Amino acid sequence: AQKITQTQPGMFVQEKEAVTLDCTYDTSDPSYGLFWYKQPSSGEMIFLIYQGSYDQQNATEGRYSLNFQKARKSANLVISASQLGDSAMYFCAMREFGSARQLTFGSGTQLTVLP
Amino acid sequence: DSGVTQTPKHLITATGQRVTLRCSPRSGDLSVYWYQQSLDQGLQFLIQYYNGEERAKGNILERFSAQQFPDLHSELNLSSLELGDSALYFCASSVATVGLAHEQFFGPGTRLTVL
Repeated sequence: AQKITQTQPGMFVQEKEAVTLDCTYDTSDPSYGLFWYKQPSSGEMIFLIYQGSYDQQNATEGRYSLNFQKARKSANLVISASQLGDSAMYFCAMREFGSARQLTFGSGTQLTVLP
Repeated sequence: DSGVTQTPKHLITATGQRVTLRCSPRSGDLSVYWYQQSLDQGLQFLIQYYNGEERAKGNILERFSAQQFPDLHSELNLSSLELGDSALYFCASSVATVGLAHEQFFGPGTRLTVL
């Protein structure tokens, strides 16, 4: 079974609007962390935001926030006030405490910001 | 700039050949991870080293091997190359192997093309 599912292969958003990128995950480990990474066309992977399974508050980092719904096993990324430079591939990833420390990635969502 | 360096940036070789990809982690990071990003498999974890010792193995083929040296740089060796090995290979580093929140910093990647 897929551990990380990103159901939106591509998304479009108008500049200055907010956009939500979906991510659902599957784990039986009570301790886990969820990450979002951005991959622009240049190829590098840029860390955006982290949410721990025991964190009470939703994580925020500048224009990025994570809508964490533990019971639904979802960890959606919200980007507010989209900018043209936000156009990129976005990956949701998970690290489980009980297993090795590597990240398991979803298939990604290609976000295009329209002027 | 994440502080993780990878060389070479691009590599073009022929089937059956052997190549070595090199990674230098961020200063102070003891843990190194290798990931493969291909069109059909997405982003997959290959192998992790911590302070010179192998800590976890993912979907790494037997034709592939890695090591981490005393100065903490790591090399990924790919042998008997096949067309399907063409991919972007990332190295990532983190300060520790325990703890969920430790962000992994990704290098710029090595793009391998097998002809």
